[in-house]
Order: sequence, then C-alpha cells, then structure tokens
Amino acid sequence: EDKVVQSPLSLVVHEGDTVTLNCSYEVTNFRSLLWYKQEKKAPTFLFMLTSSGIEKKSGRLSSILDKKELFSILNITATQTGDSAVYLCASYTGNQFYFGTGTSLTVIP
Amino acid sequence: NAGVTQTPKFRVLKTGQSMTLLCAQDMNHEYMYWYRQDPGMGLRLIHYSVGEGTTAKGEVPDGYNVSRLKKQNFLLGLESAAPSQTSVYFCASSYYAVTEAFFGQGTRLTVV
Repeated sequence: EDKVVQSPLSLVVHEGDTVTLNCSYEVTNFRSLLWYKQEKKAPTFLFMLTSSGIEKKSGRLSSILDKKELFSILNITATQTGDSAVYLCASYTGNQFYFGTGTSLTVIP
Repeated sequence: NAGVTQTPKFRVLKTGQSMTLLCAQDMNHEYMYWYRQDPGMGLRLIHYSVGEGTTAKGEVPDGYNVSRLKKQNFLLGLESAAPSQTSVYFCASSYYAVTEAFFGQGTRLTVV
C-alpha cells in the first residue's frame, strides 16, 4: 500500500526559531516528492524534488530528498508568523499524488 | 489568469440529494484530480483523469462519479449524498508526469 507519513503532526515555535519538517514515503513507481503550504484554502506549491542530495532553496525555506532512505525534509529558518500553516508532503507516482496528513506549524510572535 | 476554478464554493445538501461539483482549468493541463480533505486525514484522492474522455478511481471513489467530456473541465457527482461525504473538496490539475499540481480554492460541502 502506497503511503506518505509526515512528522511531527503539529509544532508550535517562537518567531526566529528554525524548524525541520519530516516526510517519509513508501510508494511504487516513485517519480517526485512535492511540498505544499496550505493556509485555510488551496495548497500552494513550494518545492518539487526528483534527485537525491540536491537542496532546493527559496528564501528561508529549503528542502532535500534522500531516495535511498525514502524521506525528505523541509527546513524553515528564522520563522515568521506568516509561516503558520499546514505543510503537506506528496509523492507523485506518474498518475497520482499521494499526500501525507500534513504538519501544522504555528509560529508565536 | 484564472488557473483552477471550482464551483460552487459552499453547499449544504440534505441526505439523499444529488449535486455536481465543477472544476475548470485554463492551463491546458492533461491531468485532473478530485480530492477530499478531512481533519486528520490529509488529502485523499477520489477520482482522476489523465486526459479528455478518461477517468480512473483513486483511493476513496465510493459514492462519487466523474466525467471529463472536455479537456478543461472535470465534474464530480454525488448521486445520493450521505453525511459521511461532508468534507472540503479540492480539484487539482497538472500538465504531465513530474510536474506540480495546481489546486482550486475548494468546495466546502455539508450533508445534513
């Protein structure tokens, strides 16, 4: 059975902290690993990773994939209250996206 | 620059009623998906389509039907709504394999 597991389920930090979100996957015909941010409404795309060991970076966010150990991490440095959201990880198999249940991040001023 | 548009945004149904959710995308994407999102369950795939005239079952297809008569539209139907179908429904589309999915704004459906 294909599955994507995210941890922790929820996280509360103070502004300025650094957080690491985890995503492990077990899917057949893996093609890519994606991260999304969801604030109340539609998930918005953050990163897509297809190769191991190559970090993708956008501002204070970065992500990396390990295809041998079947996991990915999303790092957020110098967190801000605007980073409060649910972060979703998804594995794409060529015709379907399998989503984890998400990590709810709350950043306290 | 609409992207993926879902209608309606909110709906309340009585048990046993039927309805159709419409998803329209203007990005010429081949693949389209319907998900439901429930607390603690993440996004679960209901049905998907890899091209005009094609549909396939996802993880939780029971109680739903879909149609993709035009490339830009993907319809999700509930023939006889049940309270268990109370959820937020998201439509998404993607160009081909190994590309990200773009999501609509969601439809909040309550079945009473």
